[in-house]
Amino acid sequence: QSALTQPASVSGSPGQSITISCTGTSSDVGSYNLVSWYQQHPGKAPKLMIYEVSKRPSGVSNRFSGSKSGNTASLTISGLQAEDEADYYCCSYAGSSTLFGGGTKLTVL
Amino acid sequence: EVQLVESGGGLVKPGGSLRLSCAASGFTFSSYSMNWVRQAPGKGLEWVSSISSSSSYIYYADSVKGRFTISRDNAKNSLYLQMNSLRAEDTAVYYCARHGDYVRAFDYWGQGTLVTVSS
Repeated sequence: QSALTQPASVSGSPGQSITISCTGTSSDVGSYNLVSWYQQHPGKAPKLMIYEVSKRPSGVSNRFSGSKSGNTASLTISGLQAEDEADYYCCSYAGSSTLFGGGTKLTVL
Repeated sequence: EVQLVESGGGLVKPGGSLRLSCAASGFTFSSYSMNWVRQAPGKGLEWVSSISSSSSYIYYADSVKGRFTISRDNAKNSLYLQMNSLRAEDTAVYYCARHGDYVRAFDYWGQGTLVTVSS
């Protein structure tokens, strides 16, 4: 049960686009279309942003999108806004367990 | 409105026990799988355990297997986590999270309860 691999940090300027990668294995990300992404602001509970690789829950901006290729999933945020500054975590179903990535701190410059 | 409210956290000595509770409201609790997810101070999220709607399927992370027990009482709309043989590395905020049915992910989270294991 190893954690999924995410970059520790990414940054971008307002209006730009950024992409956060999430690398797993053929036993988790590569085997299931059950990758989700969560946004967490300091001191707050995580919030679901993307589920089943690329679907957005009701109320989540269409600036957030997800994709997957092989064992790597990605979250793209377009038109960066100041309020997007937060920690982002990927998550994948892995059979009898669930794995999270180590988290990526997004800084909006 | 879906609400998940955790309670039961606190300071406990290594080797001690604690029972966390999560009170659910605003949805048909008995229809959803539920989970515990924890976050050590300054660290990332770690899935701890899951339980299916009827308690038929229960899973644990290797890090807590044999020490923690997840359970639920659908009549009381409540989720529990019995934590035994606690270690310093179990110190974390523990979140209760609903696993959606149509939305197959952790779609609602509680505000968390802090467990500190220290002598």
